[in-house]
Amino acid sequence: DARVTQTPRHKVTEMGQEVTMRCQPILGHNTVFWYRQTMMQGLELLAYFRNRAPLDDSGMPKDRFSAEMPDATLATLKIQPSEPRDSAVYFCASGLVLGGARINEQFFGPGTRLTVL
Amino acid sequence: DQQVKQNSPSLSVQEGRISILNCDYTNSMFDYFLWYKKYPAEGPTFLISISSIKDKNEDGRFTVFLNKSAKHLSLHIVPSQPGDSAVYFCAARRNQGGKLIFGQGTELSVKP
Repeated sequence: DARVTQTPRHKVTEMGQEVTMRCQPILGHNTVFWYRQTMMQGLELLAYFRNRAPLDDSGMPKDRFSAEMPDATLATLKIQPSEPRDSAVYFCASGLVLGGARINEQFFGPGTRLTVL
Repeated sequence: DQQVKQNSPSLSVQEGRISILNCDYTNSMFDYFLWYKKYPAEGPTFLISISSIKDKNEDGRFTVFLNKSAKHLSLHIVPSQPGDSAVYFCAARRNQGGKLIFGQGTELSVKP
């Protein structure tokens, strides 16, 4: 049963602390996405990678957020320093793009609920 | 700039009736549209999609309609069931970039 996994599921931290969220994409998928869900904006794309290379991180506040893929089985999203406005649910999703084929589906993880006090 | 908009944050429908969820978009370059369904404490799951070359796609109780001239798509669920109660997101993609733009979501409640 192939699934995207995310850790931790919940994180409560204090303002100013570093937060690291991890994602394990579905084995064989070559595209990984990070989203943030808020009440006002819905699902916002923060960044995405293909074959571990960042393709678009325009949705991510660059001064405090960073996203990496140390290897094909792990994607990380870091916030340093965290702020109360970062409180949201962060989703990772993965998909497969082959050659010029379009990615039609993204498979989402269960999310990390982040609360910054 | 919200390129994909779901103007109804919530919708309540009686079991057995039709649920119609609406979505509007502004970018005429979008060529593929998807609906995702999300239960509490879970990630969104893919439900149904439609290419811009079509105006309708049906899968069981779910039908998506696309009106390109109005830049509008809708998801019809017939008949609605209590298990359909969830948040529904519409999403759109432009060309082969693989980047989806999501709406804010509509919370559907189907009452027995």
